[in-house]
Amino acid sequence: EDKVVQSPLSLVVHEGDTVTLNCSYEVTNFRSLLWYKQEKKAPTFLFMLTSSGIEKKSGRLSSILDKKELFSILNITATQTGDSAIYLCATGGYNAGNMLTFGGGTRLMVKP
Amino acid sequence: GAVVSQHPSRVICKSGTSVKIECRSLDFQATTMFWYRQFPKQSLMLMATSNEGSKATYEQGVEKDKFLINHASLTLSTLTVTSAHPEDSSFYICSASDSGSQARTQYFGPGTRLTVL
Repeated sequence: EDKVVQSPLSLVVHEGDTVTLNCSYEVTNFRSLLWYKQEKKAPTFLFMLTSSGIEKKSGRLSSILDKKELFSILNITATQTGDSAIYLCATGGYNAGNMLTFGGGTRLMVKP
Repeated sequence: GAVVSQHPSRVICKSGTSVKIECRSLDFQATTMFWYRQFPKQSLMLMATSNEGSKATYEQGVEKDKFLINHASLTLSTLTVTSAHPEDSSFYICSASDSGSQARTQYFGPGTRLTVL
């Protein structure tokens, strides 16, 4: 059975701090790892990672995948209160028609 | 990015009634859509994979007669919660991917919050 585990479960930081969220996985036929941000409603897509060692960046967010050690990290620098959300990690296939297996999520709260 | 809509966004119903939730891909075609359920402070749990023109594939523990899925067109999938009970109260989210694109990302609808009294 495929398994995706995220840590920490929750995190409270102050504005300006840098945070690192972890995602480890045990899946058969791994193809891709995705990060999503969920605020009040449905998740919004952040990154898709398929290759080891290649960092993806979007503003203050960045993510990298280690296929040898079977984990990924999501970094957020200079955090802002708007970064408060649940961050979800999921593994999926090459074909976007493949199902996603989600981790339990990390709840991030950024205090002013 | 691609847009997925859900309707209704919120529904309150009495126990024993059936509720239909629609998931639409607005600017792309989706041969496959997914239905998730999310309880408070928990992650998304896949309920079923909706396949256009064929039967849905249900995850273990999900009653197919309870949660009816119909994917009649390339832009619409519906989830009907039949004879809803209070324990069915949850946040239901669908996702879809563009069948005609090389992009491999799934996009989520805004979700439907179901409350069964």
